[in-house]
Amino acid sequence: QKEVEQNSGPLSVPEGAIASLNCTYSDRVSQSFFWYRQYSGKSPELIMSIYSNGDKEDGRFTAQLNKASQYVSLLIRDSQPSDSATYLCNLRTGGYQKVTFGTGTKLQVIP
Amino acid sequence: EAGVAQSPRYKIIEKRQSVAFWCNPISGHATLYWYQQILGQGPKLLIQFQNNGVVDDSQLPKDRFSAERLKGVDSTLKIQPAKLEDSAVYLCASSPRGKGASVGSYEQYFGPGTRLTVT
Repeated sequence: QKEVEQNSGPLSVPEGAIASLNCTYSDRVSQSFFWYRQYSGKSPELIMSIYSNGDKEDGRFTAQLNKASQYVSLLIRDSQPSDSATYLCNLRTGGYQKVTFGTGTKLQVIP
Repeated sequence: EAGVAQSPRYKIIEKRQSVAFWCNPISGHATLYWYQQILGQGPKLLIQFQNNGVVDDSQLPKDRFSAERLKGVDSTLKIQPAKLEDSAVYLCASSPRGKGASVGSYEQYFGPGTRLTVT
């Protein structure tokens, strides 16, 4: 089992819809979780971080964490064509020493 | 505030040659990371420094890759000799603080990357 798993996509949603991106992880001691967005040919940029069970909202973005089920998700409300990118899930474990990225999910927002 | 700087932006070399990449993190950031990102994949951590000490280099191919972070500021990553499979984008990132700090201190800020092509 991979340490971090994401569906590679592409996930296609119409403009204005909610996009739901999921990430599962295998290491139960994972402590903090991050979502990064990466446009084609560009570097990753941070969207959100979350470390407690539940939801965390920031504008159109909501991160959801469920440590018991070992998944973290990112919801994008009112999706825009400019949200079309690859979304990377990132974990830190082991006293924040071990850093792992998923392979990313490609999101396409259709106008 | 200046971002993470990397150079060069692009490099083309032949296999068995050597190459070096340079990274200057955001001022005051304690943690520096080097990643390898192959097209279509997520970033793979090569090495993580906290100040000038190595935290994790478990995925660094030490027979050909080396990295240093002198004085806890900028860093260089070297490949010698290069192989065809080293063709990738090499990303440098930094985080504000080190071990024991709050989770927000581990948010990573990436440089523009160096695209390496080995022919």
